[in-house]
Amino acid sequence: AQTVTQSQPEMSVQEAETVTLSCTYDTSESNYYLFWYKQPPSRQMILVIRQEAYKQQNATENRFSVNFQKAAKSFSLKISDSQLGDTAMYFCAFMTNTNAGKSTFGDGTTLTVKP
Amino acid sequence: DAGVTQSPTHLIKTRGQQVTLRCSPKSGHDTVSWYQQALGQGPQFIFQYYEEEERQRGNFPDRFSGHQFPNYSSELNVNALLLGDSALYLCASSQTGGQTYEQYFGPGTRLTVT
Repeated sequence: AQTVTQSQPEMSVQEAETVTLSCTYDTSESNYYLFWYKQPPSRQMILVIRQEAYKQQNATENRFSVNFQKAAKSFSLKISDSQLGDTAMYFCAFMTNTNAGKSTFGDGTTLTVKP
Repeated sequence: DAGVTQSPTHLIKTRGQQVTLRCSPKSGHDTVSWYQQALGQGPQFIFQYYEEEERQRGNFPDRFSGHQFPNYSSELNVNALLLGDSALYLCASSQTGGQTYEQYFGPGTRLTVT
């Protein structure tokens, strides 16, 4: 079975500081994609960043970056210079090539950015 | 460019009733996936539609069924509603043959079963 585990149900960070959200996953497939999604209280799920498993270089999108450790099946999200608007639920997810369009999600981490 | 839209926003139903939720994909997308998100949990994959056929299905009973229309919009039907069906139902669209790993989500339909 393919699973995603987010071990931090809740986290908080001071504005302008850096925070790292953890995610581990389990799959027997070798070709897959990893994602971090943000779901603010208004509930629309937004893609934050994605990583192709075949790429060794860690993805970066502005203040968001990932630490992808394929052998350890770990995919953490680092948010730098945290802003109040980053307050949201964050979900880690992955999708395999053989099941394109079917994402497996973790149970999320609620992140609160404090002023 | 309109994103993924869903209707209705909220819905309240009684146990045993049937419900239909609707989704219009992002312009240019031809594949629709449906997810159920219970309170405090991550989304769970229900099924996916492409070329008006169900292509993949998650671990959901036959009470959950769907349809895709020629314009790529989709419906999710749930029969014989149970209290446990109360959840946020998310629709996600993508483009097959392109970057199919990239899904765009709608705002969801909040279903409450009483």
